[in-house]
Amino acid sequence: DTGVSQNPRHKITKRGQNVTFRCDPISEHNRLYWYRQTLGQGPEFLTYFQNEAQLEKSRLLSDRFSAERPKGSFSTLEIQRTEQGDSAMYLCASSSRRDRERRTEAFFGQGTRLTVV
Amino acid sequence: AQSVAQPEDQVNVAEGNPLTVKCTYSVSGNPYLFWYVQYPNRGLQFLLKYITGDNLVKGSYGFEAEFNKSQTSFHLKKPSALVSDSALYFCAVRGDSWGKFQFGAGTQVVVTP
Repeated sequence: DTGVSQNPRHKITKRGQNVTFRCDPISEHNRLYWYRQTLGQGPEFLTYFQNEAQLEKSRLLSDRFSAERPKGSFSTLEIQRTEQGDSAMYLCASSSRRDRERRTEAFFGQGTRLTVV
Repeated sequence: AQSVAQPEDQVNVAEGNPLTVKCTYSVSGNPYLFWYVQYPNRGLQFLLKYITGDNLVKGSYGFEAEFNKSQTSFHLKKPSALVSDSALYFCAVRGDSWGKFQFGAGTQVVVTP
Protein backbone atom coordinates (compact mmCIF):
# COMPACT_ATOMS: atom_id res chain seq x y z
CA ASP A 1 0.00 0.00 0.00
CA THR A 2 1.25 3.43 -0.86
CA GLY A 3 -1.00 5.09 1.68
CA VAL A 4 -3.68 7.75 1.31
CA SER A 5 -2.52 10.63 -0.85
CA GLN A 6 -3.92 14.16 -0.70
CA ASN A 7 -3.25 17.06 -3.03
CA PRO A 8 -2.39 19.80 -2.69
CA ARG A 9 -0.72 19.80 0.71
CA HIS A 10 -1.25 23.53 1.12
CA LYS A 11 -3.64 25.97 -0.51
CA ILE A 12 -3.91 29.70 0.00
CA THR A 13 -6.90 31.34 -1.62
CA LYS A 14 -8.72 34.62 -1.54
CA ARG A 15 -12.12 34.86 0.02
CA GLY A 16 -14.83 34.14 -2.51
CA GLN A 17 -12.74 31.86 -4.68
CA ASN A 18 -13.51 28.18 -5.29
CA VAL A 19 -11.06 25.46 -4.30
CA THR A 20 -10.90 21.74 -4.99
CA PHE A 21 -8.95 19.09 -3.12
CA ARG A 22 -8.17 15.58 -4.26
CA CYS A 23 -7.82 12.38 -2.26
CA ASP A 24 -6.47 9.08 -3.56
CA PRO A 25 -7.32 6.30 -1.09
CA ILE A 26 -5.45 3.10 -0.48
CA SER A 27 -6.01 0.77 -3.38
CA GLU A 28 -9.19 -1.33 -3.05
CA HIS A 29 -10.40 0.47 0.05
CA ASN A 30 -14.10 0.87 -0.54
CA ARG A 31 -14.80 3.48 2.16
CA LEU A 32 -13.53 7.03 1.95
CA TYR A 33 -14.00 9.77 4.54
CA TRP A 34 -13.51 13.51 4.64
CA TYR A 35 -12.85 15.28 7.92
CA ARG A 36 -12.04 18.87 8.82
CA GLN A 37 -9.69 19.81 11.63
CA THR A 38 -9.13 23.26 13.07
CA LEU A 39 -6.29 24.18 15.38
CA GLY A 40 -6.58 22.54 18.78
CA GLN A 41 -9.62 20.50 17.85
CA GLY A 42 -10.31 16.92 16.92
CA PRO A 43 -11.27 15.96 13.39
CA GLU A 44 -14.89 16.77 12.54
CA PHE A 45 -16.75 14.44 10.23
CA LEU A 46 -17.84 15.94 6.91
CA THR A 47 -18.92 13.08 4.69
CA TYR A 48 -18.13 9.53 3.64
CA PHE A 49 -18.49 7.28 0.63
CA GLN A 50 -18.90 3.60 0.16
CA ASN A 51 -17.59 3.01 -3.33
CA GLU A 52 -19.14 5.82 -5.41
CA ALA A 53 -22.17 6.32 -3.15
CA GLN A 54 -22.13 9.21 -0.68
CA LEU A 55 -23.77 7.59 2.34
CA GLU A 56 -23.71 10.34 4.92
CA LYS A 57 -23.15 14.06 4.97
CA SER A 58 -22.68 16.11 8.11
CA ARG A 59 -25.09 18.90 8.95
CA LEU A 60 -21.95 21.01 9.37
CA LEU A 61 -21.51 20.87 5.63
CA SER A 62 -23.05 23.89 4.00
CA ASP A 63 -24.32 24.01 0.44
CA ARG A 64 -20.98 25.49 -0.56
CA PHE A 65 -19.31 22.14 0.04
CA SER A 66 -19.61 19.24 -2.36
CA ALA A 67 -17.79 15.95 -2.57
CA GLU A 68 -17.65 13.34 -5.28
CA ARG A 69 -16.13 9.95 -5.75
CA PRO A 70 -16.63 8.98 -9.38
CA LYS A 71 -16.04 5.31 -10.14
CA GLY A 72 -15.37 4.63 -6.49
CA SER A 73 -11.69 5.48 -6.67
CA PHE A 74 -10.32 8.98 -5.94
CA SER A 75 -12.48 11.67 -4.39
CA THR A 76 -12.68 15.44 -4.68
CA LEU A 77 -13.91 17.97 -2.16
CA GLU A 78 -14.91 21.36 -3.57
CA ILE A 79 -15.59 24.48 -1.57
CA GLN A 80 -17.33 27.26 -3.42
CA ARG A 81 -17.17 30.96 -2.46
CA THR A 82 -14.66 30.31 0.30
CA GLU A 83 -14.94 32.16 3.59
CA GLN A 84 -12.29 32.80 6.23
CA GLY A 85 -14.04 30.32 8.50
CA ASP A 86 -13.23 27.58 5.99
CA SER A 87 -9.55 27.83 6.91
CA ALA A 88 -8.65 24.43 8.33
CA MET A 89 -6.87 21.16 7.66
CA TYR A 90 -8.95 18.89 5.45
CA LEU A 91 -8.24 15.23 6.09
CA CYS A 92 -9.09 12.27 3.93
CA ALA A 93 -9.13 8.68 5.16
CA SER A 94 -9.98 5.29 3.74
CA SER A 95 -10.83 1.91 5.18
CA SER A 96 -11.35 -1.58 3.92
CA ARG A 97 -14.51 -3.58 4.01
CA ARG A 98 -12.67 -6.76 4.86
CA ASP A 99 -13.21 -8.34 8.26
CA ARG A 100 -16.52 -6.63 8.93
CA GLU A 101 -16.88 -2.94 8.41
CA ARG A 102 -16.97 -1.56 11.91
CA ARG A 103 -13.87 -3.46 12.98
CA THR A 104 -11.53 -1.83 10.54
CA GLU A 105 -9.52 1.24 11.28
CA ALA A 106 -9.25 4.17 8.90
CA PHE A 107 -5.96 5.27 7.38
CA PHE A 108 -5.43 8.99 7.01
CA GLY A 109 -3.64 11.09 4.47
CA GLN A 110 -1.34 14.00 5.31
CA GLY A 111 -4.13 16.49 4.86
CA THR A 112 -4.61 19.66 2.84
CA ARG A 113 -4.16 22.87 4.78
CA LEU A 114 -6.45 25.60 3.47
CA THR A 115 -5.87 29.24 4.29
CA VAL A 116 -8.50 31.73 3.16
CA VAL A 117 -7.23 35.33 3.13
CA ALA B 1 -25.61 9.28 18.97
CA GLN B 2 -21.99 8.50 19.76
CA SER B 3 -19.49 10.72 21.53
CA VAL B 4 -15.99 10.69 22.93
CA ALA B 5 -14.53 12.74 25.76
CA GLN B 6 -10.85 13.33 26.45
CA PRO B 7 -10.89 15.21 29.75
CA GLU B 8 -7.30 16.43 29.65
CA ASP B 9 -6.12 19.04 27.16
CA GLN B 10 -2.50 18.28 28.01
CA VAL B 11 -0.55 15.62 29.86
CA ASN B 12 2.99 16.29 31.03
CA VAL B 13 5.30 13.43 31.94
CA ALA B 14 9.02 12.95 32.44
CA GLU B 15 10.86 10.60 30.12
CA GLY B 16 10.91 7.08 31.52
CA ASN B 17 7.77 7.56 33.58
CA PRO B 18 4.44 5.88 32.80
CA LEU B 19 2.09 7.72 30.49
CA THR B 20 -1.70 7.60 30.62
CA VAL B 21 -4.10 9.43 28.31
CA LYS B 22 -7.75 9.23 29.30
CA CYS B 23 -10.78 8.61 27.11
CA THR B 24 -14.43 7.94 27.87
CA TYR B 25 -17.12 7.19 25.34
CA SER B 26 -20.85 7.03 24.86
CA VAL B 27 -22.42 4.80 22.26
CA SER B 28 -25.45 2.60 21.83
CA GLY B 29 -24.56 -0.98 21.15
CA ASN B 30 -21.07 -2.42 21.15
CA PRO B 31 -18.30 0.14 20.87
CA TYR B 32 -15.38 -0.12 18.49
CA LEU B 33 -12.62 2.05 19.92
CA PHE B 34 -9.47 3.45 18.36
CA TRP B 35 -6.45 5.53 19.28
CA TYR B 36 -4.61 7.73 16.81
CA VAL B 37 -1.54 9.96 17.14
CA GLN B 38 -0.83 13.15 15.20
CA TYR B 39 2.52 14.86 14.79
CA PRO B 40 2.68 18.55 13.73
CA ASN B 41 1.35 19.22 10.23
CA ARG B 42 0.74 15.54 9.63
CA GLY B 43 -2.26 13.29 9.27
CA LEU B 44 -3.46 10.89 11.93
CA GLN B 45 -1.56 7.67 12.49
CA PHE B 46 -3.34 4.57 13.79
CA LEU B 47 -2.03 3.17 17.10
CA LEU B 48 -4.44 0.48 18.24
CA LYS B 49 -8.06 -0.61 18.45
CA TYR B 50 -10.47 -2.52 20.65
CA ILE B 51 -13.07 -4.63 18.90
CA THR B 52 -13.83 -7.52 21.23
CA GLY B 53 -12.07 -9.99 23.49
CA ASP B 54 -9.24 -9.17 25.88
CA ASN B 55 -9.74 -5.83 27.59
CA LEU B 56 -6.04 -5.00 27.31
CA VAL B 57 -5.07 -4.18 23.75
CA LYS B 58 -1.48 -3.81 22.58
CA GLY B 59 -0.54 -1.56 19.70
CA SER B 60 2.30 0.20 17.95
CA TYR B 61 5.39 1.79 19.56
CA GLY B 62 4.84 0.11 22.95
CA PHE B 63 1.39 1.62 23.52
CA GLU B 64 -1.49 -0.30 25.02
CA ALA B 65 -5.02 0.55 26.03
CA GLU B 66 -7.44 -0.82 28.58
CA PHE B 67 -11.11 -1.17 27.79
CA ASN B 68 -13.47 -0.86 30.76
CA LYS B 69 -17.09 -1.43 29.88
CA SER B 70 -18.55 -0.49 33.26
CA GLN B 71 -16.71 2.83 33.26
CA THR B 72 -17.12 3.31 29.49
CA SER B 73 -13.43 4.13 29.27
CA PHE B 74 -10.57 3.29 26.94
CA HIS B 75 -7.41 4.80 28.42
CA LEU B 76 -4.15 4.77 26.47
CA LYS B 77 -1.03 3.76 28.35
CA LYS B 78 2.69 3.39 27.91
CA PRO B 79 4.86 2.01 30.69
CA SER B 80 7.89 4.19 29.92
CA ALA B 81 7.43 7.39 27.91
CA LEU B 82 9.95 8.68 25.37
CA VAL B 83 10.55 12.30 24.31
CA SER B 84 9.54 11.21 20.81
CA ASP B 85 6.07 10.32 22.16
CA SER B 86 5.33 14.04 22.42
CA ALA B 87 2.38 14.53 20.07
CA LEU B 88 -1.38 14.98 19.91
CA TYR B 89 -3.43 11.89 20.74
CA PHE B 90 -7.00 11.24 19.65
CA CYS B 91 -9.48 8.68 20.86
CA ALA B 92 -12.24 7.66 18.43
CA VAL B 93 -15.36 5.51 18.56
CA ARG B 94 -17.39 3.79 15.92
CA GLY B 95 -20.65 2.52 17.33
CA ASP B 96 -24.21 2.99 16.29
CA SER B 97 -23.14 4.60 13.04
CA TRP B 98 -21.74 2.06 10.65
CA GLY B 99 -19.86 4.71 8.80
CA LYS B 100 -18.15 7.51 10.57
CA PHE B 101 -15.58 7.65 13.30
CA GLN B 102 -16.31 10.12 16.10
CA PHE B 103 -13.16 11.72 17.51
CA GLY B 104 -12.40 13.33 20.82
CA ALA B 105 -10.91 16.81 21.08
CA GLY B 106 -7.44 15.42 21.55
CA THR B 107 -4.83 15.40 24.32
CA GLN B 108 -1.43 16.99 23.86
CA VAL B 109 1.28 14.84 25.41
CA VAL B 110 4.52 16.53 26.40
CA VAL B 111 7.39 14.29 27.47
CA THR B 112 10.33 16.15 29.00
CA PRO B 113 13.89 14.78 29.12
